[in-house]
Amino acid sequence: DADVTQTPRNRITKTGKRIMLECSQTKGHDRMYWYRQDPGLGLRLIYYSFDVKDINKGEISDGYSVSRQAQAKFSLSLESAIPNQTALYFCATNIKQGRELFFGEGSRLTVL
Amino acid sequence: AQKITQTQPGMFVQEKEAVTLDCTYDTSDQSYGLFWYKQPSSGEMIFLIYQGSYDEQNATEGRYSLNFQKARKSANLVISASQLGDSAMYFCAMREGPRVERALTFGSGTRLQVQP
Repeated sequence: DADVTQTPRNRITKTGKRIMLECSQTKGHDRMYWYRQDPGLGLRLIYYSFDVKDINKGEISDGYSVSRQAQAKFSLSLESAIPNQTALYFCATNIKQGRELFFGEGSRLTVL
Repeated sequence: AQKITQTQPGMFVQEKEAVTLDCTYDTSDQSYGLFWYKQPSSGEMIFLIYQGSYDEQNATEGRYSLNFQKARKSANLVISASQLGDSAMYFCAMREGPRVERALTFGSGTRLQVQP
């Protein structure tokens, strides 16, 4: 089983719908991140959280919200999805003083 | 300004040959870290190699090495003896400043195709 699990892995939805992407990790890491990947743009940071009470906006937070329900769970919400939010979304984790990020397998979201 | 620039959208290499993927970065911090990740067609992100700004030697991990030229602000990935399984997207990334909890900034990626 993956240490960083994202659900759903694939989702097709319609404009205006509310969508939640969930991330859970068994690595015991305190830091969690949400990135989106678009072709030709690489990965861009949406939100990040250093612990349950510490949530920060990233480069492209508009149109998104997050919830850190527990140390192991970090959810990304699109309150009213729009087509330009069609992308591959990654959750990532690392520990305090850790170096590299550990990524989930990605959630592909299509907004029609 | 782009923090991480990868100027090669796509690269081809013959199997068993070496290939260099370019990465330049922009930061005013003295302390920073540079990373390379591989993304195969299956989509997952795989950490390959790390170079700290104060590391005196170039990082190596198996067939991967990082050609770190601090004055030129470049951190090129060298893959030796390419294999078909090396075909993937490769992303260069940077963490700025001394605090390791800062998030990574990624480049736009290079798609490498290894030909038999």
